[in-house]
Amino acid sequence: SQTIHQWPATLVQPVGSPLSLECTVEGTSNPNLYWYRQAAGRGLQLLFYSIGIGQISSEVPQNLSASRPQDRQFILSSKKLLLSDSGFYLCAWTRGFSYNSPLHFGNGTRLTVT
Amino acid sequence: ELKVEQNPLFLSMQEGKNYTIYCNYSTTSDRLYWYRQDPGKSLESLFVLLSNGAVKQEGRLMASLDTKARLSTLHITAAVHDLSATYFCAAGRRDTGTASKLTFGTGTRLQVTL
Repeated sequence: SQTIHQWPATLVQPVGSPLSLECTVEGTSNPNLYWYRQAAGRGLQLLFYSIGIGQISSEVPQNLSASRPQDRQFILSSKKLLLSDSGFYLCAWTRGFSYNSPLHFGNGTRLTVT
Repeated sequence: ELKVEQNPLFLSMQEGKNYTIYCNYSTTSDRLYWYRQDPGKSLESLFVLLSNGAVKQEGRLMASLDTKARLSTLHITAAVHDLSATYFCAAGRRDTGTASKLTFGTGTRLQVTL
């Protein structure tokens, strides 16, 4: 069966510090990978998605970047965090070439920028 | 731009009662998903609706899709406390390639009381 791992679970970082969140998927090949952010009490906003190694699409211009160095690894980064980057970050995957596959989410990272 | 609206945003209901959550989306969409989120947790996929008139049921929850009205409903039958959570709907349009870009509603927080 497929599993998705996301870490860390909680992170408190000062403004201006760098960020690296990592996500890995097991049990499937060539997944589509996604980063979503959920602000407190809000819905989910798609930040980035990737359909293959090195292929990153950005949905919203912002202070963040994403990379996919391996087939089942997705990384969310920032060089300098802003207060507005606080939120609940969720990594997700869908089956590659399976148009109707629902998103399968990791457990999320709760980021607080102070 | 695809927009998704849910109502109500908050729903307090007694155990044993029935109620419906509504999800409207603004432009043509060929996929509609329902998710559940428990406080502080990630999202769990509940239903995938892919065609007009689709109906899916799981326990006390039933979801339906009317693509002509651009409306999906999540009906709760004889609510129990365990159903207390936030419910999200999400609509999607096919992107180039196979990425599954979903737009989420703002969520309906359901509280079931004794």
